[in-house]
Amino acid sequence: EVQLVESGGGLVQPGRSLRLSCAASGFTFDDYAMHWVRQAPGKGLEWVSAISWNSGTRGYADSVKGRFTISRDNAKNSLYLQMNSLRSEDTAFYYCAKDGSSSWKSKNGFDIWGQGTMVTVSS
Amino acid sequence: QSVLTHPPSASGTPGQRVTISCSGSSANIGSNTVNWYQQLPGTAPKLLIYGNNRRPSGVPDRFSGSKSGTSASLAISGLQSEDEADYYCAAWDDSLNGWVFGGGTKLTVL
Repeated sequence: EVQLVESGGGLVQPGRSLRLSCAASGFTFDDYAMHWVRQAPGKGLEWVSAISWNSGTRGYADSVKGRFTISRDNAKNSLYLQMNSLRSEDTAFYYCAKDGSSSWKSKNGFDIWGQGTMVTVSS
Repeated sequence: QSVLTHPPSASGTPGQRVTISCSGSSANIGSNTVNWYQQLPGTAPKLLIYGNNRRPSGVPDRFSGSKSGTSASLAISGLQSEDEADYYCAAWDDSLNGWVFGGGTKLTVL
């Protein structure tokens, strides 16, 4: 079964750091680009970051650039999001999603999504 | 404020055909393909349409997508109660160098 399982969310104070993980199974992980997408409570979807199949290229939304770092370990079939200098506006459900191709700029869409992990930034 | 614009809500009765629009600009929809996602209440999003009008395996042919200029549409025919969900369009934005989503349309089946 194709599956993505996120972990690492929780309650964190403003200015602190958190690292999210996403474990992939059921497909050849290193064939595909991967994304992080977030959704604030009661709000719409916001693309956060993406990484190509071989970590050669990475992209970030302006709202997180310089604070968040995406990475992957193909040997462990895992995707990560290191979140530093967290702000209250980063409070959201964070989903990892598989791209339909090896490039995160493709037209194939985000075809597999995890169930998400909640990050709450509050003092 | 989302880069792509949806109507916040739409509705229809069972069996009816409904369309959901998505408006963008030359930087996104005007020069790139559009994807659509369905998010049922309390669940993760699901890819519904990619490449403007292509359906992933398992998506019923009641769902169809189209694009014209800087706008796109999702059509749902033979509306069913289980189609009640939030629907989002998405496209690559050449100016922002990233993916952008619409704010979402909440579809209610009356």
